[in-house]
Amino acid sequence: NAGVTQTPKFRVLKTGQSMTLLCAQDMNHEYMYWYRQDPGMGLRLIHYSVGEGTTAKGEVPDGYNVSRLKKQNFLLGLESAAPSQTSVYFCASSYSRLAGGADTQYFGPGTRLTVL
Amino acid sequence: QQQVKQSPQSLIVQKGGISIINCAYENTAFDYFPWYQQFPGKGPALLIAIRPDVSEKKEGRFTISFNKSAKQFSLHIMDSQPGDSATYFCAATRSTGFQKLVFGTGTRLLVSP
Repeated sequence: NAGVTQTPKFRVLKTGQSMTLLCAQDMNHEYMYWYRQDPGMGLRLIHYSVGEGTTAKGEVPDGYNVSRLKKQNFLLGLESAAPSQTSVYFCASSYSRLAGGADTQYFGPGTRLTVL
Repeated sequence: QQQVKQSPQSLIVQKGGISIINCAYENTAFDYFPWYQQFPGKGPALLIAIRPDVSEKKEGRFTISFNKSAKQFSLHIMDSQPGDSATYFCAATRSTGFQKLVFGTGTRLLVSP
């Protein structure tokens, strides 16, 4: 049981390049989330998904796209990277609240992205 | 109304001392308040959580105190240890329907030996 895994762990991009971050969870969780973490700003929600095939915008969605084609995977895409997107990105997953599960979000180890 | 304000930004405590981190919220609909602990290079992990039907919750050396009227809650770490050195995030959400966690800005705790 690996929990939540993220690939890659580190990445350096040039401005304008694109990339996809992959998140996978093996806990059969309905909900998945993408956050970015910046110094002094805590964790800010980028996008989230309440189930396979669904996505929704969070607090800071501009410049990012997501897809949830399979229940266990949640992809975060940057179409044209900008230096302002330099950050540490965390994926998380949780049970369905509607199913009476816990509210705990389980986080992956993070991806450190630098955009030059 | 969605903000959770956390203080201090950083904290240095001697081994054996008490670490106290405070959070305040504005949205009175929030009814679930977790604390997450993050070690360097790792993702955050749930440490302890409280619902507003109690004023205090204790798990080992970690205690959450909750003041509903003041809309404040705090984390107390008793007998702080160097292994407690980490960043701590408070958060808040509503427990009905799907609601997103609103995180505080984090407190970097250093426990000196």
